[in-house]
Amino acid sequence: DQQVKQNSPSLSVQEGRISILNCDYTNSMFDYFLWYKKYPAEGPTFLISISSIKDKNEDGRFTVFLNKSAKHLSLHIVPSQPGDSAVYFCAASVEGSQGNLIFGKGTKLSVKP
Amino acid sequence: GAGVSQTPSNKVTEKGKYVELRCDPISGHTALYWYRQSLGQGPEFLIYFQGTGAADDSGLPNDRFFAVRPEGSVSTLKIQRTERGDSAVYLCASSPRGAGRLYYNEQFFGPGTRLTVL
Repeated sequence: DQQVKQNSPSLSVQEGRISILNCDYTNSMFDYFLWYKKYPAEGPTFLISISSIKDKNEDGRFTVFLNKSAKHLSLHIVPSQPGDSAVYFCAASVEGSQGNLIFGKGTKLSVKP
Repeated sequence: GAGVSQTPSNKVTEKGKYVELRCDPISGHTALYWYRQSLGQGPEFLIYFQGTGAADDSGLPNDRFFAVRPEGSVSTLKIQRTERGDSAVYLCASSPRGAGRLYYNEQFFGPGTRLTVL
C-alpha cells in the first residue's frame, strides 16, 4: 500500500503560468517532506523541503504547502519555465527512521514555450 | 567531481549471475543510502549506512541482496543469483549525517546504475 501518492502521472503547463504538483500521504508519523526533480539519465536532485511543524516554505520560484489535517502537500512553481520540465517526486521521512525516504511515483511536468 | 558517483552506469547480466554496484559518496558525508527504482515507480529504500555500519537494512528485498561500506566511504551493493525482476535503476545517495530528532539533512543522489538481467 503506497504511503506517498502522486495521483497525476503527468501535467502540462504553458510557460509563465503556475505549475501545481500534488502529493497525498497516509502515514501520520511522517515528519519531513521533500520534493526532488529528476531529468532522464540523472539522479534525483533536491528541490525544496518542509518540516511537519510548518505549513509553507518558499525558495525563489518554488513554494511547498503542507496541510497536515488533509495529509496533503503541494509544490507551486511560479512562473514555470521550459527548463522545469522533468519528473517531480514527492518524498517523506518517518520520524526516527534516520532519514530513509519514501517516494511517490512521480509526476512528469512538461512546460511548453 | 564533488557529487555522488556510481559505477558502472549500465550493467547487463544474465539470470543467475552475481553483480556488484559501486557508490562513491560526497567526501565527508557519513550517511549513505541505497534505493532501487523500477520502471514507472519512485525510488524504494533498500539500506542505510551511518559510517561503516548498516543502521537499517529493512528495505533489502531478500537475502540475495547485501551491501557493505567497510571504511565508511565507498559502498558496494552486491546481488547474488540475479533474477529478471532485479532489473531496475539502483540509486545511491549520501547525506552529511542522516537525520534525527529536530533535524534533517537532504540526500544527494548519484546518477544511478541501470541493471538489466536477461
